[in-house]
Amino acid sequence: AQSVTQLDSHVSVSEGTPVLLRCNYSSSYSPSLFWYVQHPNKGLQLLLKYTSAATLVKGINGFEAEFKKSETSFHLTKPSAHMSDAAEYFCVVSDIRSNYKLTFGKGTLLTVNP
Amino acid sequence: SQTIHQWPATLVQPVGSPLSLECTVEGTSNPNLYWYRQAAGRGLQLLFYSVGIGQISSEVPQNLSASRPQDRQFILSSKKLLLSDSGFYLCAWSGRGGTDTQYFGPGTRLTVL
Repeated sequence: AQSVTQLDSHVSVSEGTPVLLRCNYSSSYSPSLFWYVQHPNKGLQLLLKYTSAATLVKGINGFEAEFKKSETSFHLTKPSAHMSDAAEYFCVVSDIRSNYKLTFGKGTLLTVNP
Repeated sequence: SQTIHQWPATLVQPVGSPLSLECTVEGTSNPNLYWYRQAAGRGLQLLFYSVGIGQISSEVPQNLSASRPQDRQFILSSKKLLLSDSGFYLCAWSGRGGTDTQYFGPGTRLTVL
């Protein structure tokens, strides 16, 4: 069965410093991996998606993630945090065996300090 | 472009009352449709998904039900709400391809008192 672990429930950074949100996954088949962002009381917005093309995936708002099969990781990064980045971030995996149903991590709350 | 709507945005209901939440998608045909619940501290849980009109699959046994009366309309219902039904309900759509991305609506905040 597929699973995803977000290694930090809460990350706090200062505005202008780098962001790293960590995600490890488990999948018996070639996975699709996603990062979504959720601002308070809002729906989930897709940041980026990996589907076996380039291992470095660029998303919206300056975010990117690198798929590392040997480490079963898909960490999300951004060079410089902005106040508007404060939100909850979800790492998500799906694969053909799950009939492409999504499995969500428990989320990482990103706080950006001025 | 495709858009997804949910209403109402917020709802406060007494225990034992009925529920109807609606989700509609614009700008696409034959989407897969999904209902999720997000309870405080418990992540997202898939409740139902549908691959076509009248075709509903239930992921979790509970007192909720779903219906898809039209291609781009998905309804979540309950005959009698429980306190445990409180949460943030999200509708999502995807294309028919296996790896198609799911796109989420704005959500409905349900509080059962």
